Amino acid sequence: GQQLNQSPQSMFIQEGEDVSMNCTSSSIFNTWLWYKQEPGEGPVLLIALYKAGELTSNGRLTAQFGITRKDSFLNISASIPSDVGIYFCAGLVSGTYKYIFGTGTRLKVLA
Amino acid sequence: DSGVTQTPKHLITATGQRVTLRCSPRSGDLSVYWYQQSLDQGLQFLIQYYNGEERAKGNILERFSAQQFPDLHSELNLSSLELGDSALYFCASSVRADDTEAFFGQGTRLTVV
Repeated sequence: GQQLNQSPQSMFIQEGEDVSMNCTSSSIFNTWLWYKQEPGEGPVLLIALYKAGELTSNGRLTAQFGITRKDSFLNISASIPSDVGIYFCAGLVSGTYKYIFGTGTRLKVLA
Repeated sequence: DSGVTQTPKHLITATGQRVTLRCSPRSGDLSVYWYQQSLDQGLQFLIQYYNGEERAKGNILERFSAQQFPDLHSELNLSSLELGDSALYFCASSVRADDTEAFFGQGTRLTVV
């Protein structure tokens, strides 16, 4: 099935470091979402982006909707141990109600 | 707790069998989505229902079917199961069909042996 390319695939970082991850597609999306999934849980929505160029923050998280509408970025500042999890991007396929999910970035934070 | 309830949490069954996964959306949500997550994979959109009607379809196999009942709960039926169908199956719900904020359940882990 169709998936978005998300990178990096995994990250091991020290507590306090900033984190950057991105999602790219060959298709244009009208909406980008970022989710976090913790072990044994379903994904939880972190940030939603609706307009090209939009920059939105949620606490220590900041996400941007790429100008080309084919990519999105998520930054986490001053990481803490509870940031551990898998981060997924998702794009809304133009003209449909279908969301395509990225392959995920697995984040581990070392205290 | 997202308010979306999925049962069962775990299911182990043999190849060739048929199973039904159940989802109760959040109170007031009319839209239900089903996703499949294979090991170390992202989520694959399967199908969406809105107020009892199919709204969008993803990469759902012909062996799989779903429905949404008048009380808005939904069931995903998986038949002629194969080993490759082993995965986490998530249900999500939202108020409207085009809502971006969909709330996910905890998933049903299906193991086909």
